[in-house]
Amino acid sequence: QSVLTQPPSVSGAPGQRVTISCTGSNSNIGAAYAVHWYQLLPGVVPKLLIYGNTNRPSGVPGRFSGSRSATSASLAITGLQAEDEADYYCQSYDISLSGYVFGTGTKVTVL
Amino acid sequence: EVQLLESGGGLVQPGGSLRLSCAASGFTFSTYAMSWVRQAPGKGLEWVSSTGGRGTPSYYAESARGRFTISRDNSKKTLYLQMNYLRDEDTAVYYCANHNWDDGRFDFWGQGTLVTVSS
Repeated sequence: QSVLTQPPSVSGAPGQRVTISCTGSNSNIGAAYAVHWYQLLPGVVPKLLIYGNTNRPSGVPGRFSGSRSATSASLAITGLQAEDEADYYCQSYDISLSGYVFGTGTKVTVL
Repeated sequence: EVQLLESGGGLVQPGGSLRLSCAASGFTFSTYAMSWVRQAPGKGLEWVSSTGGRGTPSYYAESARGRFTISRDNSKKTLYLQMNYLRDEDTAVYYCANHNWDDGRFDFWGQGTLVTVSS
């Protein structure tokens, strides 16, 4: 089981703002290991969306933003669009497990 | 353009072996750490293994340690995952990804190859 907990699903109407939480512990996010976010769409190669807690790779739209505080992190999508309907995963490193860990995943639905 | 193309997946019986390959292009392969990540049907992502640009060091998730071996051939720009003593729970899509050793992110991913362990 994952050590990073995300809500199973979030939804919003086009144009709205949604946030996805990623709750960890003092052995991962709380130990200052960076948090990264990925977008998974069926039939599409997984995509790095946010790296180093808050940074967007080249080509990722500005409506995606990340934040981190204490033992948790969040991904926000501002101005939700139909093509944002996908699964989203956070990821970090866990010192207790000596390995990389992913969140439980969140399905975003655009109403 | 970075491209990662996995191959080698298929149906294998419990206790069997399989070797996955990942052919890379579009970046200087030997300077990047590489990793394998898997996703079981209906489940989330799970990190499996990572290796440095020269094939060392290598790290494994608890679920893979002692059964799986990651390796690479930089002359062929190819990453491998040798999987032995396969179990039902190893059934998953296996992705290769290039890996930033500094902050732990997985920059680019392949499309994945499906491994099914079943009798």
